Amino acid sequence: EVQLVQSEAEVKKPGESLKISCQVSGYSFTRYWIAWVRQMPGKGLEWMGIIYPDDSDTRYSPSFQGQVTISVDKSISTAYLQWSSLKASDTAIYYCARGHDTDYWGQGTLVTVSS
Amino acid sequence: QTVVTQEPSLTVSPGGTVTLTCASSTGAVTSDDFPNWYQQKPGQAPRALIYSTSTKHSWTPARFSGSLLGGQAALTLSGVQPEDEAEYYCLLHLGDAQLVFGGGTKLTVL
Repeated sequence: EVQLVQSEAEVKKPGESLKISCQVSGYSFTRYWIAWVRQMPGKGLEWMGIIYPDDSDTRYSPSFQGQVTISVDKSISTAYLQWSSLKASDTAIYYCARGHDTDYWGQGTLVTVSS
Repeated sequence: QTVVTQEPSLTVSPGGTVTLTCASSTGAVTSDDFPNWYQQKPGQAPRALIYSTSTKHSWTPARFSGSLLGGQAALTLSGVQPEDEAEYYCLLHLGDAQLVFGGGTKLTVL
């Protein structure tokens, strides 16, 4: 069974750093791209970027280039999304999903940034 | 950046048929844009319904179908059920791993 399990909700202050995770199981991690998607409160889905775990080839949406970093650890079949300095506007649910067809999705990680 | 536009809201009666559309600001949507469709219910992660314009996932109910219609991607629900009430999003692949979601359509079954 394909599963993408994301890390728990986080509450952070502006300026803090954060790394959230997406651990996959049930398929070969290195054979499918992993995408990250943002959903701000009450808003629609936004494509952030995508990474190919086998060689860490990463593509970012222009809106998110330089704002976040996507990475993987192949040894534990886990993809990451990280911020070096959070802003209140980063408050959102973040989803990971498998492949360009995004057939399987994680449950989402709620990130709340508030002073 | 390319803007992908969907109807903000639609209403359909149970048992009826409704078509949701997905348009691109750069021109006609084609199969080369690999349109995908998703369903999202409140408090849940999105669920993939259609990929590559018209291909269903194994879990996609038969009443959902995807197509290209008048230069737009389209999702048609035939024989709508009350449980189909949800937000629906399209996703277009615009090259070099650049993908853009539409703004979503809130479907009400009434």
